[in-house]
Amino acid sequence: DAGVTQSPTHLIKTRGQHVTLRCSPISGHKSVSWYQQVLGQGPQFIFQYYEKEERGRGNFPDRFSARQFPNYSSELNVNALLLGDSALYLCASSPLGGGSTDTQYFGPGTRLTVL
Amino acid sequence: GNSVTQMEGPVTLSEEAFLTINCTYTATGYPSLFWYVQYPGEGLQLLLKATKADDKGSNKGFEATYRKETTSFHLEKGSVQVSDSAVYFCALGPSDYKLSFGAGTTVTVRA
Repeated sequence: DAGVTQSPTHLIKTRGQHVTLRCSPISGHKSVSWYQQVLGQGPQFIFQYYEKEERGRGNFPDRFSARQFPNYSSELNVNALLLGDSALYLCASSPLGGGSTDTQYFGPGTRLTVL
Repeated sequence: GNSVTQMEGPVTLSEEAFLTINCTYTATGYPSLFWYVQYPGEGLQLLLKATKADDKGSNKGFEATYRKETTSFHLEKGSVQVSDSAVYFCALGPSDYKLSFGAGTTVTVRA
């Protein structure tokens, strides 16, 4: 079975630009979460979507937004990019809606570099 | 809120040595506990998990036991290989729909 897929693999942008990252969950999974991983640190939660509704939001500015489509794929959008947005962006899918026994499976990530 | 404290690295071992990475947590309720592994240039892979106290997760020779009395979930492997070189993350949750991760421990195994 295919795992979580993300595109693009790598991306280079300049400050002030906008970026869209894409994620396709594991077949049958209805929940998608986004995390930011800065070099040398653990992933930090950005959003979770379940059945196209936002269920959770981390401590990120409004420049970050996301949505989930009817086929459960998802996009993460970041506006007005800053140098500090350079990171690995990870998408995770899970079969449940985020309950305490839910397990999140991660994709390979998108490496974003902001110059 | 929920948080994870993970043993700092880096850890360097010889092949066939015993590996242990300490992880302790602070949480309300009864979260699940996870170990994820990240190989160079890749995303996170689920290594093992435990969903309740005294559960033991195991996979690929790695083991960890959910200890509620000591709020710990230490990762162990009896005999490491060069291919085990990676960054290991302890995580708990989901709580408020998110996983809370430790800072990661870099493990390097020398032949």
